[in-house]
Amino acid sequence: GEDVEQSLFLSVREGDSSVINCTYTDSSSTYLYWYKQEPGAGLQLLTYIFSNMDMKQDQRLTVLLNKKDKHLSLRIADTQTGDSAIYFCAERMDGGGFKTIFGAGTRLFVKA
Amino acid sequence: DAGVIQSPRHEVTEMGQEVTLRCKPISGHDYLFWYRQTMMRGLELLIYFNNNVPIDDSGMPEDRFSAKMPNASFSTLKIQPSEPRDSAVYFCASSGTGGKNEQYFGPGTRLTVT
Repeated sequence: GEDVEQSLFLSVREGDSSVINCTYTDSSSTYLYWYKQEPGAGLQLLTYIFSNMDMKQDQRLTVLLNKKDKHLSLRIADTQTGDSAIYFCAERMDGGGFKTIFGAGTRLFVKA
Repeated sequence: DAGVIQSPRHEVTEMGQEVTLRCKPISGHDYLFWYRQTMMRGLELLIYFNNNVPIDDSGMPEDRFSAKMPNASFSTLKIQPSEPRDSAVYFCASSGTGGKNEQYFGPGTRLTVT
């Protein structure tokens, strides 16, 4: 079935790296995404990776994709208190339409 | 662009009342999604439209929920009658068909049913 799984909580100290992990089910997914939700707001696309890539780096963000294991990770370097939010992993189902399946979200706490 | 617009931002109503949530997608986007978010169940896809036509409504919890998209710039989600367990934040999102198809989310409507 369609499922995206991720851990619910992560706590790190300011300045450390954060790694949020995710597993997905659809091996034919073309795009995999990381969305960020700040308190009281809707989700906003943080970064994405195309399925033919293994890694994508964007400033403090590094996305790693292991297609064999259907594992996606998001690394945030030098985590700041402003990074405290909920991070959602998502995959686009390419079996028709553009339905996107979201994980439950990982709540990141950054301690000063 | 103003982004996805939702109204109202907050709604408090009594059990049994009809609730209508509204959404204006980003101009030019041909996909529109309705989600519900709660602490217990996370983010749930309720229904989505393509070119104003409902494509998948399998996430709609029961017949009390209905959604319409009469034109490309407006959609409604209606709950009749409302129940306390419907209390949640309801998000509308839209996307285009080109490129990475990211979804743009509105700010959400926080619904409280007492």
